[in-house]
Amino acid sequence: AQTVTQSQPEMSVQEAETVTLSCTYDTSESDYYLFWYKQPPSRQMILVIRQEAYKQQNATENRFSVNFQKAAKSFSLKISDSQLGDAAMYFCAYRSARSRYGGSQGNLIFGKGTKLSVKP
Amino acid sequence: DSGVTQTPKHLITATGQRVTLRCSPRSGDLSVYWYQQSLDQGLQFLIQYYNGEERAKGNILERFSAQQFPDLHSELNLSSLELGDSALYFCASSVEGSGVTHTQYFGPGTRLTVL
Repeated sequence: AQTVTQSQPEMSVQEAETVTLSCTYDTSESDYYLFWYKQPPSRQMILVIRQEAYKQQNATENRFSVNFQKAAKSFSLKISDSQLGDAAMYFCAYRSARSRYGGSQGNLIFGKGTKLSVKP
Repeated sequence: DSGVTQTPKHLITATGQRVTLRCSPRSGDLSVYWYQQSLDQGLQFLIQYYNGEERAKGNILERFSAQQFPDLHSELNLSSLELGDSALYFCASSVEGSGVTHTQYFGPGTRLTVL
């Protein structure tokens, strides 16, 4: 069974600085997707960024980028120019790619989350 | 706004009762997933429906059941409620098929409190 581990329960960053959140996963599959979701105090789950395992290029979305190391099974999230609105819980999630070929299961497997605080 | 709607936003009930949570997926999405978020268990997958049929089950209790209707909205039924069922219940929807990334978009959640 696949597992996702976020080893940093809490992190803090100064406004305008850069912070990196860690995520490792365990799987025997070769094709899968990885995601980072943000959960602010409103409790809404918001997609931050996604990465397809078959792509070597790291995904980037504005100030958010990932460092995807497939061999090491590592998927860290870098937030540049941190803003007060970035303060939230961040969840790393794994999803099998079997559905891409018409399979059935595609549920997300989540890590425990990292609570990010942003200091003004 | 993700395009996924959930009702009600909050639900307070007593032990032993039964409740129904409702979810409407994004337009065009055939798959609906239900997740439970609790303090001690984190985010856990409960069940998936695809175009009206059950596709996968996760850590869903026998007291819980779900269905997806022809208009693709889904309901999660929780019965014989216990204090430990208090949690935030999320619905997520996604497009399924080849050539898509299968990103799941989440609704705002229903916060269930069992007293």
